Amino acid sequence: GAGVSQSPSNKVTEKGKDVELRCDPISGHTALYWYRQSLGQGLEFLIYFQGNSAPDKSGLPSDRFSAERTGGSVSTLTIQRTQQEDSAVYLCASSLARGGNQPQHFGDGTRLSIL
Amino acid sequence: AQSVTQLGSHVSVSEGALVLLRCNYSSSVPPYLFWYVQYPNQGLQLLLKYTTGATLVKGINGFEAEFKKSETSFHLTKPSAHMSDAAEYFCAVRGDDKIIFGKGTRLHILP
Repeated sequence: GAGVSQSPSNKVTEKGKDVELRCDPISGHTALYWYRQSLGQGLEFLIYFQGNSAPDKSGLPSDRFSAERTGGSVSTLTIQRTQQEDSAVYLCASSLARGGNQPQHFGDGTRLSIL
Repeated sequence: AQSVTQLGSHVSVSEGALVLLRCNYSSSVPPYLFWYVQYPNQGLQLLLKYTTGATLVKGINGFEAEFKKSETSFHLTKPSAHMSDAAEYFCAVRGDDKIIFGKGTRLHILP
């Protein structure tokens, strides 16, 4: 596909369950980002992958959150033992390189609702 | 370190009127600046970006923004609002490595 693809588009789950969110970046994009967008808030940075370098995990809010990127392409964000405050839209973005002038291309997000 | 402040979480303008969305930034290095738009249930779409060179940047859908270093501002404007401009707009700055987003401004267009 031409753009960043995220799945599922919507996810409803019970408190305490684990969830996995998937991001398929644009082909050839070496940088991949995860953000969380809560109602009325801006984008909260979660984690950043660049090529084969160690990811920048400085934005992950707790040890229940983790992410991996296999083969430098698809990424999975995992939230363990979900809590109601995890309800948000999770956005993935990719860019060509780490360079400052490269814009990010966003997927449509996964809307996560914790009951 | 960088930061972004968007003045006004909600802005309302009449159809055909001037749109002005304000963004101020701070950055310890020369910044790259971006404006993104988000329509309901969609991700963010790049409107325009400033990297170097001309300080007045033109983007898609008739929007433009002017980088003013002395005022540390990068306000977004459009001469004549259209109903289809109703959306949320995010200003972003990139200095060192990360890109930092403002909290967003929701633009309402009044008929």
